[in-house]
Amino acid sequence: DQQVKQNSPSLSVQEGRISILNCDYTNSMFDYFLWYKKYPAEGPTFLISISSIKDKNEDGRFTVFLNKSAKHLSLHIVPSQPGDSAVYFCAASGSPGTGKLIFGQGTTLQVKP
Amino acid sequence: AAGVIQSPRHLIKEKRETATLKCYPIPRHDTVYWYQQGPGQDPQFLISFYEKMQSDKGSIPDRFSAQQFSDYHSELNMSSLELGDSALYFCASSRMGTGSSYEQYFGPGTRLTVT
Repeated sequence: DQQVKQNSPSLSVQEGRISILNCDYTNSMFDYFLWYKKYPAEGPTFLISISSIKDKNEDGRFTVFLNKSAKHLSLHIVPSQPGDSAVYFCAASGSPGTGKLIFGQGTTLQVKP
Repeated sequence: AAGVIQSPRHLIKEKRETATLKCYPIPRHDTVYWYQQGPGQDPQFLISFYEKMQSDKGSIPDRFSAQQFSDYHSELNMSSLELGDSALYFCASSRMGTGSSYEQYFGPGTRLTVT
């Protein structure tokens, strides 16, 4: 059973526009959510995170929104740049430090110049 | 800034052989995690250690074992290798007791190929 789901395998946007990546989860015990960016043959790179007590967290061009009632989160990238082209993973955790991350299947973002 | 170091980066083994993967966490990070990513799949949690003690366990086969040493580096030992063990193996680290203790930082991975 996939507890964290990214239903869009791919997304293509024009440079300068907004990219919106979506993620749904089923386990209400998750209390921390993270987004990672991954290039081929490299490890996931941490982008941004959000605690379940918040509904928004912003860091530069990246903003994560959390809707707990809908068990849904999204990552907004504004403005999108060609260098943002990569696979984006949503991940969830139920406990800090000792806890595992549960990953979604990933969304491949392509930003066209 | 220093990152997570994994060695080797690539490893080719035959069926039934043994492999050892090493992970060196970010300095002052006390928790290490191991993940396995098969082709076209998302990373799957294997096992984690905090202060040299196993802290959580996921879908790790009995043929695999791991430990964290006094210098906080970790090793994943894989025996009786099977073709299905071919995957990318990631190590990640974090630091407990901080506001960002949920955030795990990943190494570049070890690509294991079993022939």
